Amino acid sequence: KNEVEQSPQNLTAQEGEFITINCSYSVGISALHWLQQHPGGGIVSLFMLSSGKKKHGRLIATINIQEKHSSLHITASHPRDSAVYICVGDKLIFGTGTRLQVFP
Amino acid sequence: EPEVTQTPSHQVTQMGQEVILRCVPISNHLYFYWYRQILGQKVEFLVSFYNNEISEKSEIFDDQFSVERPDGSNFTLKIRSTKLEDSAMYFCASSEVGSWGYTFGSGTRLTVV
Repeated sequence: KNEVEQSPQNLTAQEGEFITINCSYSVGISALHWLQQHPGGGIVSLFMLSSGKKKHGRLIATINIQEKHSSLHITASHPRDSAVYICVGDKLIFGTGTRLQVFP
Repeated sequence: EPEVTQTPSHQVTQMGQEVILRCVPISNHLYFYWYRQILGQKVEFLVSFYNNEISEKSEIFDDQFSVERPDGSNFTLKIRSTKLEDSAMYFCASSEVGSWGYTFGSGTRLTVV
């Protein structure tokens, strides 16, 4: 069964801290998606990647297909980054999400 | 920026009734998806649709559910004879290429009473 696991499940940080969220999957995939779900429920696509690293503003996503692992990093975190971050394998299996709260 | 539009944003229905959730995908996208998220749980894949037919569906997507693209712009999810456990947020998404570059709608919150 293609399980996608995320860690940690919950994460609190002070504004300005560097954040790392990890995603591991049990079978091979060719691409992985990182999503952000806002407190109101809306979902935004952050990254889609199949190799290496992508950067968008303060967000960085990396993936190692061979090791079946991806990370999402947030530099200089801000309270508006508070959300649930979800990784999704290309087999349409969602991770359980990581709830991030950034305090001023 | 193009967006996926879902209507209504919130629907309340009586148990046993049929509901139709509507989605307008991005116009040049070819792949369409429905997902649901029961309160407090993770997002679950329901179905994907391409070339006017279902391309993949999950175990959740049983005979109670159906999808349709009735015209060139709408993509609908019909839930027949709703049950209390169907209460969830339902998300529509579309992509230009299968499994890549999803754009999600803002969701329809379905409450079955």
